[in-house]
Amino acid sequence: DTGVSQDPRHKITKRGQNVTFRCDPISEHNRLYWYRQTLGQGPEFLTYFQNEAQLEKSRLLSDRFSAERPKGSFSTLEIQRTEQGDSAMYLCASSPQAEGRNTEAFFGQGTRLTVV
Amino acid sequence: AQSVTQLGSHVSVSEGALVLLRCNYSSSVPPYLFWYVQYPNQGLQLLLKYTSAATLVKGINDFEAEFKKSETSFHLTKPSAHMSDAAEYFCAVTPRRALTFGSGTRLQVQP
Repeated sequence: DTGVSQDPRHKITKRGQNVTFRCDPISEHNRLYWYRQTLGQGPEFLTYFQNEAQLEKSRLLSDRFSAERPKGSFSTLEIQRTEQGDSAMYLCASSPQAEGRNTEAFFGQGTRLTVV
Repeated sequence: AQSVTQLGSHVSVSEGALVLLRCNYSSSVPPYLFWYVQYPNQGLQLLLKYTSAATLVKGINDFEAEFKKSETSFHLTKPSAHMSDAAEYFCAVTPRRALTFGSGTRLQVQP
């Protein structure tokens, strides 16, 4: 078990370009989450998958953002027509299926996006 | 709806002193509560969690937190600070699946 892996760790892009991030969760975890963290703030929830189904999306996830988890394993988060306000750390987390409302979420090291 | 308020964006203690980081929550359902730690340019690591069992929760690295329903609080403590404890600490609440985080408290440990 190598933990949650995110790629790339850092991305610098020009405003207006599209970017895509990848997250590989812990292999037996069927729940996957994306969060965004700006400087000096706590992470904010973006979206949640259970297996390949995207079950919940935050209002923060504008129509320029799209996330997929096609086979219920890795996930991608794409941002189209990036804006400077998209500059942030994008965190992925995964957790196993369990009874009850929640279980511990394991976080990756994040992808830091800088839009110039 | 649920929310978390962390009192004090920066806390500074001397090495060996007590660490107290404050967290108050608001939740429309009985909450699950978490404390996470984040080192620079890293993801979040779970310190401890409250899931409606014992109200005093022990975590890693001698951290503990006490759930007080009457005060809607879940403060994090450690008896003796180490230099390696310097980091950002986040309190989080979840009623269902996704976590709602506080804005964080940066802990500085002075030698």
